[in-house]
Amino acid sequence: AQSVTQLDSHVSVSEGTPVLLRCNYSSSYSPSLFWYVQHPNKGLQLLLKYTSAATLVKGINGFEAEFKKSETSFHLTKPSAHMSDAAEYFCVVNNNNDMRFGAGTRLTVKP
Amino acid sequence: NAGVTQTPKFQVLKTGQSMTLQCAQDMNHEYMSWYRQDPGMGLRLIHYSVGAGITDQGEVPNGYNVSRSTTEDFPLRLLSAAPSQTSVYFCASSYRGADTDTQYFGPGTRLTVL
Repeated sequence: AQSVTQLDSHVSVSEGTPVLLRCNYSSSYSPSLFWYVQHPNKGLQLLLKYTSAATLVKGINGFEAEFKKSETSFHLTKPSAHMSDAAEYFCVVNNNNDMRFGAGTRLTVKP
Repeated sequence: NAGVTQTPKFQVLKTGQSMTLQCAQDMNHEYMSWYRQDPGMGLRLIHYSVGAGITDQGEVPNGYNVSRSTTEDFPLRLLSAAPSQTSVYFCASSYRGADTDTQYFGPGTRLTVL
């Protein structure tokens, strides 16, 4: 079975500083990997996805993630945090419609 | 397009009651799925469907039934509600499978079972 581990349950940054949300995955196959964001009391929105093309994936709102097969990681980064980035972020691994979510990382952005 | 809609938004049930959570999409998506979200556990896949008449189990299917008679609708039925089913339920859809396609999520249904 495949699984996802988000290494931090909570990350706090100051506005304008870099964001790093860490994700490791486990899969027997070549998976597809996603990052979704959930703002309070909202549904989920796709930030970006990796589907075996370029290993550096750019998403919406300035986020990007790099797929590193040797490290089984798919960390999410953003050069400069904005107050509107405060939300919960989920890393997802998917193979043959078997989607597994990480437990989530809550991002707090301080003024 | 309305996207993915879910009804009701909130529901309180007593143990043993049954109910159906409704999900509809107007994007002509083939793939639809149901998740539950519990604190500290992310989302877990309950059931999914790759097209009308086809359904399959996800990670946590016990206690739930689904059917897919049309492309647009994918209801989730709780047969005999239990307190362990207290959760927030999300429906999602995508053009084809979830492997490569973006999934579009509904706003969620918050269910409490007493």
